[in-house]
Amino acid sequence: GESVGLHLPTLSVQEGDNSIINCAYSNSASDYFIWYKQESGKGPQFIIDIRSNMDKRQGQRVTVLLNKTVKHLSLQIAATQPGDSAVYFCAESILTGGGNKLTFGTGTQLKVEL
Amino acid sequence: DTEVTQTPKHLVMGMTNKKSLKCEQHMGHRAMYWYKQKAKKPPELMFVYSYEKLSINESVPSRFSPECPNSSLLNLHLHALQPEDSALYLCASSSVSTNEKLFFGSGTQLSVL
Repeated sequence: GESVGLHLPTLSVQEGDNSIINCAYSNSASDYFIWYKQESGKGPQFIIDIRSNMDKRQGQRVTVLLNKTVKHLSLQIAATQPGDSAVYFCAESILTGGGNKLTFGTGTQLKVEL
Repeated sequence: DTEVTQTPKHLVMGMTNKKSLKCEQHMGHRAMYWYKQKAKKPPELMFVYSYEKLSINESVPSRFSPECPNSSLLNLHLHALQPEDSALYLCASSSVSTNEKLFFGSGTQLSVL
């Protein structure tokens, strides 16, 4: 079936370095691709999204890249900080008969080392 | 107020119990969601309400019964659950027009004994 998945389950980076989290998707009909951050004991928090007709979008310290040719999504975090430690999920939004469905990928644990 | 509030934070119940999870938001969102999350797994969609009407049911067993009494409240009624239903239950809300941006509560950690 259709799925959204991640290449690396755990990513360790030094504080101040840039982080790159990758995601592969298989549903070409998705309208939006989204990154969420989930800290321990909390619900997922929206970080940034990108429409399927774009290939790059920048936010504050974060950049999302979309490569539709190879169905690949990435999240780049600049100058990674300890507060960035969390699980990061990519998600895709698909329009169905009942409305938009948000389906999450498997998640990457980002660990920031001091 | 950009919070989604879920109660209780923790719940332990037996397989014959009836309990309810509650969710509240005051952001004026007209779409509300229930997700189930097992440890170290992604959230899985259960139900979507749009304008207080059930719009998506992801083939969830009938022992889970959602209810949306008004635009700010969402309940999940639980009855005759199984131990494998133990999980974190997350409520979320969004505007109907920007429904890729969900606001999540912190969840109810449910244990079924």
